[in-house]
Amino acid sequence: QQQVKQSPQSLIVQKGGISIINCAYENTAFDYFPWYQQFPGKGPALLIAIRPDVSEKKEGRFTISFNKSAKQFSLHIMDSQPGDSATYFCAARHSGAGSYQLTFGKGTKLSVIP
Amino acid sequence: DGGITQSPKYLFRKEGQNVTLSCEQNLNHDAMYWYRQDPGQGLRLIYYSQIVNDFQKGDIAEGYSVSREKKESFPLTVTSAQKNPTAFYLCASSPPGQGVNTEAFFGQGTRLTVV
Repeated sequence: QQQVKQSPQSLIVQKGGISIINCAYENTAFDYFPWYQQFPGKGPALLIAIRPDVSEKKEGRFTISFNKSAKQFSLHIMDSQPGDSATYFCAARHSGAGSYQLTFGKGTKLSVIP
Repeated sequence: DGGITQSPKYLFRKEGQNVTLSCEQNLNHDAMYWYRQDPGQGLRLIYYSQIVNDFQKGDIAEGYSVSREKKESFPLTVTSAQKNPTAFYLCASSPPGQGVNTEAFFGQGTRLTVV
């Protein structure tokens, strides 16, 4: 059972455009929603994260939008650049006592073309 | 520099062999994790440990074993019982607590190939 569904699987955006990646979850016990960026052959690195009591968080060109009632959240990359080309993973953390592990979406491979 | 070190970066295993992947962190984090990454599958949790001498199975623990004898170290053994071990393995750690900043930091991964 996949607890975090991510779409699209791949995305091609022109330089300067907006990249949008969507995620949906079912488990209302999730309390923390990070996005990770991964370049080929490297480990994922935290990009931006949000708690469900906030509807939007912006850091530079990256924005998370969160819809608690719909159990959906999305990543927007404004003014996309070729250097943004990477695989992006959404994730969710369970708030159960003593539980820290993350549940990941399957990833979106973003290609930004000049 | 603080961080997570995984070694080796590339590892080749013959069928029927056990191999151990190393993960060391100097971030003073209590919790450590092992994930497996396959193309198009995202990251799947193998084992995690919240404290020394304690660890729990994740979603795909069969064919793997771990130990947590020191806070800094969380080695993963891929046993011969793991039928499809070829994958990219990622180790992570996180600080204690449930606050908004309890993010997971990842190592650079070990790519294991069965030959």
